[in-house]
Amino acid sequence: EDKVVQSPLSLVVHEGDTVTLNCSYEVTNFRSLLWYKQEKKAPTFLFMLTSSGIEKKSGRLSSILDKKELFSILNITATQTGDSAVYLCAAGAGSYQLTFGKGTKLSVIP
Amino acid sequence: GAVVSQHPSRVICKSGTSVKIECRSLDFQATTMFWYRQFPKQSLMLMATSNEGSKATYEQGVEKDKFLINHASLTLSTLTVTSAHPEDSSFYICSLERGTDTQYFGPGTRLTVL
Repeated sequence: EDKVVQSPLSLVVHEGDTVTLNCSYEVTNFRSLLWYKQEKKAPTFLFMLTSSGIEKKSGRLSSILDKKELFSILNITATQTGDSAVYLCAAGAGSYQLTFGKGTKLSVIP
Repeated sequence: GAVVSQHPSRVICKSGTSVKIECRSLDFQATTMFWYRQFPKQSLMLMATSNEGSKATYEQGVEKDKFLINHASLTLSTLTVTSAHPEDSSFYICSLERGTDTQYFGPGTRLTVL
């Protein structure tokens, strides 16, 4: 059975801190690893990773994939209160399907 | 801009009634759409894969007779929750794949069954 595990489940930091969110996966026919940010409604896309060792960056967010260790991290530097959300990791496998982790709830306090 | 729309955004209904949720692709033709549900404080669970012009593929444990999916055109998929019960109350989200492996999600529909 395909499995995606995220850690920690929740995290509280102060503004300006740097955080690292973890995602490990075990899926058959792995294709890609995706990160989403979910606030009050549906998830919004952040990154898609398919190759090991290549960092993807968008502003203060960055992510990298290790296909050997079946692991990805999402980094957020200089956190802001607007970064407070649930961050979801999903592994794409087989024919289009995504298996989601349970998410990491990030709370950034002023 | 938005890629996917859903309607309604929120619906409250009585137990035993049926509710239809629409998912529209706004700017391209989607042969495949996905339906997820999300219970409070839980992650998204794939319910079914909706294929244009053919029957949907349901995940294990999802009752196809209860959750009717119709993908009649390349821009519209509908999910009908038949004979809804309070345990069906959830957040239903559709998505479609654009490009390689990138899924874009609709804004979701919150269903409350009284």
